[in-house]
Amino acid sequence: DAGVIQSPRHEVTEMGQEVTLRCKPISGHNSLFWYRQTMMRGLELLIYFNNNVPIDDSGMPEDRFSAKMPNASFSTLKIQPSEPRDSAVYFCASSSPGEQFFGPGTRLTVL
Amino acid sequence: DQQVKQNSPSLSVQEGRISILNCDYTNSMFDYFLWYKKYPAEGPTFLISISSIKDKNEDGRFTVFLNKSAKHLSLHIVPSQPGDSAVYFCAASVYVDDKIIFGKGTRLHILP
Repeated sequence: DAGVIQSPRHEVTEMGQEVTLRCKPISGHNSLFWYRQTMMRGLELLIYFNNNVPIDDSGMPEDRFSAKMPNASFSTLKIQPSEPRDSAVYFCASSSPGEQFFGPGTRLTVL
Repeated sequence: DQQVKQNSPSLSVQEGRISILNCDYTNSMFDYFLWYKKYPAEGPTFLISISSIKDKNEDGRFTVFLNKSAKHLSLHIVPSQPGDSAVYFCAASVYVDDKIIFGKGTRLHILP
């Protein structure tokens, strides 16, 4: 198994633009998580899905952020419009009971 | 309000000695605790876990200790090796398949 796949690995965009981050979880995992890592706040949980259904989105910072999981093998995290303070590394993870497997992350820079 | 706290942003340890990374938590409902290790430009990887019914779990050079009354856990690495240099995240969840709450991480430097 290739593990959790994220794309793109790096994204540089200008303030106000729409950004879409993509994730393919490990096959057979029922839960999918989106995290954001910054120096100030560490690793924050943004949202998680179980069986493609959003369970807890309390970590989503504001309405500019949205996430979807149309099927068991794909999820997106969208930021519209993007702002410089959104610059961070965004991780997707999928889980089997007791352990989460993380993707390599997408480094987002908003100028 | 941080539910999982790692108060040491960084730690330097001589190669061959013991590394001790500490973590405190505030939510008494947490029942499952994990440590993750992260290298630059990679996602965190699972290292070791412990459930609240135990006070110690050992896996090779890595041992996690849990003190529920103090809401404290620690990760011991012995002996420390150069490849252990990384950021270590402490994490906790209410049950084994629930969302995991992470601390801010501790950067461990193993000195030659």
